[in-house]
Order: sequence, then structure tokens, then C-alpha cells
Amino acid sequence: GAGVSQTPSNKVTEKGKYVELRCDPISGHTALYWYRQSLGQGPEFLIYFQGTGAADDSGLPNDRFFAVRPEGSVSTLKIQRTERGDSAVYLCASSLSGTSFDTQYFGPGTRLTVL
Amino acid sequence: DAKTTQPNSMESNEEEPVHLPCNHSTISGTDYIHWYRQLPSQGPEYVIHGLTSNVNNRMASLAIAEDRKSSTLILHRATLRDAAVYYCILRNYQGAQKLVFGQGTRLTINP
Repeated sequence: GAGVSQTPSNKVTEKGKYVELRCDPISGHTALYWYRQSLGQGPEFLIYFQGTGAADDSGLPNDRFFAVRPEGSVSTLKIQRTERGDSAVYLCASSLSGTSFDTQYFGPGTRLTVL
Repeated sequence: DAKTTQPNSMESNEEEPVHLPCNHSTISGTDYIHWYRQLPSQGPEYVIHGLTSNVNNRMASLAIAEDRKSSTLILHRATLRDAAVYYCILRNYQGAQKLVFGQGTRLTINP
């Protein structure tokens, strides 16, 4: 079946601009996660949704970052007033129910470059 | 979150076994040991997990020390496709759902 998809695959923007990154999870998965991966580092947790609500947003670095999942399926990560330090690969993952035993299935990521 | 320690890189030859070590000396009794790997230009993918006993699946084997302070991921016959960064992650079934990644081990496979 279809895996997790993310669009766009690449996004280049200018400092100060607003960007939206989209994640389509595996159908039927209630849990959705966003991670950020800087060059040479492991992925870093940003936010976790259970259904429509953000169950854990402790990884969001500041209030320029916001994510939504209005219908409990597709999610959008929104970054306002982008900075060069926001450049990274943004990864989305989904899991069936969100327990600590669930396997997380990752998408290919969106590479964000802020000039 | 309990921490894991892995070598930064390892190298092996195609069709030979590979043993990837992970130290987790502060592991708690309710921590499961999970392994994910990340192929080039892809998101991470699940490999295997275990609690106390050794585990086998179609991808790999996981050997867990008796005191659970270390574990080893075993690829029985490495192929070029196994070249990836391998992450050893502790997950507590009573804890948060997020995955906490370290820097992992970059595995290079020589033809």
C-alpha cells in the first residue's frame, strides 16, 4: 500500500518568508509525528498528533513553528519568518495508534533551504 | 530519555556478517531496545526491537546482553543495500511516543 508522502520534496525560500510543508500519512494511522534533521545529525522530534490534537509539541523550537491536522489525516507544518537556521530536512512519520510499541513509518522528507 | 552510545562509523564487506554495537548502561527495566536505519536520501525505517531475549526477523537479528546494558544488531550477510545510518533507540512503554535519535552508526559496505 501507499506509504507516507510529503510535499514538496524540496523547498527553497528566502529569509523572512512563510512556508508550509505537507504530510500525507498512511491511511488509517491515527498518530502523526514531525521531526527535523540537520546535516549529519539524527532526526529531532518536533510534534506529535493523536487524531486532530497535538498530544506533544515539546519539540517545537519557538513560536514561529506551528502544525495542524484538522481532519485527523493530512498535516501541515507551518514556519513563519523563516531563518537560515531553519534549513534542514523535515520528516513526517505515522503510526497505527501512537503507543510506544508502534512502529513509526517515515516519509522521504522535505528538504527546506532558507537563503 | 535513557541514552545510547554507538560508534560513529563502521565498514564491512559485501556478503559478510556485520555486528553493530550499542551501549545503553542506564537502561531501565521497562525500556525496549529499538533499531531503525536510514538509507541515503530516505526517511528512517524500522529494523527490529527487543526487551530481554534475542530476536530475529527477515532483516536482522538483535542480541541483547544478559544485563541489558548493551545490544548488538546483526546483519547476517550484508549487501550494498544495507549501507545506511543505523540508530539504536530506547523506548519506554510507559513513556512518550516520540523517537529520540542519537547520531547513529554510519555503515559502509564494500563490494
